[in-house]
Amino acid sequence: QVQLVQSGAEVKKPGASVKVSCKASGYPFSDYYVHWVRQAPGQGLEWMGWIHPNSGGTKYAQKFQGRVTMTRDTSISTAYMEVSGLRSDDTAVYYCARQKSGTFSLDYWGQGTLVTVSS
Amino acid sequence: QSVLTQPPSVSGAPGQRVTISCTGSRSNIGAGYDVHWYQQLPGTAPKLLIHGNSNRPSGVPDRFSGSKSGTSASLAITGLQAEDEADYYCQSNDSSLRNWVFGGGTKLTVL
Repeated sequence: QVQLVQSGAEVKKPGASVKVSCKASGYPFSDYYVHWVRQAPGQGLEWMGWIHPNSGGTKYAQKFQGRVTMTRDTSISTAYMEVSGLRSDDTAVYYCARQKSGTFSLDYWGQGTLVTVSS
Repeated sequence: QSVLTQPPSVSGAPGQRVTISCTGSRSNIGAGYDVHWYQQLPGTAPKLLIHGNSNRPSGVPDRFSGSKSGTSASLAITGLQAEDEADYYCQSNDSSLRNWVFGGGTKLTVL
């Protein structure tokens, strides 16, 4: 069955960087876009961008350009999302999700990774 | 301020029907982009509920249905059950922002 398993919670200081991993299984990793979505405490969902594992091509939301980097390692079916220059308002649960084939929707989601930014 | 506007909350009694609206503009829903809906139970990741405006993934009860017209879309839930209490989000694409966009979310309370 399709699974996306993310790395564990992180606590970082302002100005630091964080890298979250998302290990995929149960489907051909290279064939599906992987998206990243975040959710601040008590807030809604915010789309951050996507990576296509086959080509490594990326697209980032304008808000995150220059501060977010999405990469992948196809040999271990894992996608990564790194945020630099962390601020307190980056405190959120970060989700990876697979794009459903033939649509612009997200059909499988990771369990989420809480990133806390605090001095 | 979300690009797609949803009511912050809706409520209904068990067995009733509720609808959740998602209002966009000519650069997203009105531009012909599909609308998708997600259900997020407390403390869990979102789950795809409706894709392509009105299509249910396998396993989603037919109590859930979606529709789209003009610059808006709606999610309808019939025969409300206690387990439907969750946050619901619409999602589409925006040609001006060149982004995927989510609504602000709607909290459904089953009375």
